[in-house]
Amino acid sequence: SQQGEEDPQALSIQEGENATMNCSYKTSINNLQWYRQNSGRGLVHLILIRSNEREKHSGRLRVTLDTSKKSSSLLITASRAADTASYFCATDPLGYSTLTFGKGTMLLVSP
Amino acid sequence: EAGVAQSPRYKIIEKRQSVAFWCNPISGHATLYWYQQILGQGPKLLIQFQNNGVVDDSQLPKDRFSAERLKGVDSTLKIQPAKLEDSAVYLCASSLTDMISSTDTQYFGPGTRLTVL
Repeated sequence: SQQGEEDPQALSIQEGENATMNCSYKTSINNLQWYRQNSGRGLVHLILIRSNEREKHSGRLRVTLDTSKKSSSLLITASRAADTASYFCATDPLGYSTLTFGKGTMLLVSP
Repeated sequence: EAGVAQSPRYKIIEKRQSVAFWCNPISGHATLYWYQQILGQGPKLLIQFQNNGVVDDSQLPKDRFSAERLKGVDSTLKIQPAKLEDSAVYLCASSLTDMISSTDTQYFGPGTRLTVL
C-alpha cells in the first residue's frame, strides 16, 4: 500500500502563478522527499526534508513539513510551462530504509 | 556523467510469455533499485540491491519475478510468465553509498514500458 497521498490529484494554472501541492502520510518518518516526473526527463529528485526540519527552500521550491499532522506541502513559485509534470512525495517510514511513493499530483502550467 | 541506462525502452508481449529488462546504474553507485509504476500511480519498490546482495525484496512477486545483480554492477529483472496486470513502466534507480540510508538521492533511468496483451 502507498504511504503518501498527494492532493490535489491534478492542478492547472497559468504561467507566473504559484502552485501548491500537499502530501499526507500515515506513519512516522525519517524524512520526506519530493520528486518530479515528466516524459522528457523521467523521475528526478527535487528536495529532501528531514523529520526535524519544518521548512526548506531550493530555488523556486519551498517545502514544509508538519510531523504532528503527518503532512507536507510543496510550493512552486512563479511557475513556468517547463514545470508541467507529475509531482510525487516519497517517505521513509521509521525502521525502513526504502522509499514509499504517493500517487502524485499532475501539474499543468499553461503559457 | 552518464545516467542510469535501461533497455529496452518498450516491450510488448503476450500473457504467459517471458520478458527481461536490463539496467546499468551510474558508475560507482553501490545501491540499485527496481520499481514498478502502474499508470496513474507512484513507483512501487520491487527489489533493492546493495552491491550484489539483496536488501529488500518484500514486494517482489517471487513466483514470477526474479532479479539479479551480477558483480554488483548491472542488473536484470525477469518476469516469467507475464500476466496482464504486469503492464507497467519498470524503473531502475541507483544511489551512491552502500549504507542503508534513504537520505541518498536516487537517480532514475528512463524506464521500460511493458505492455502485456
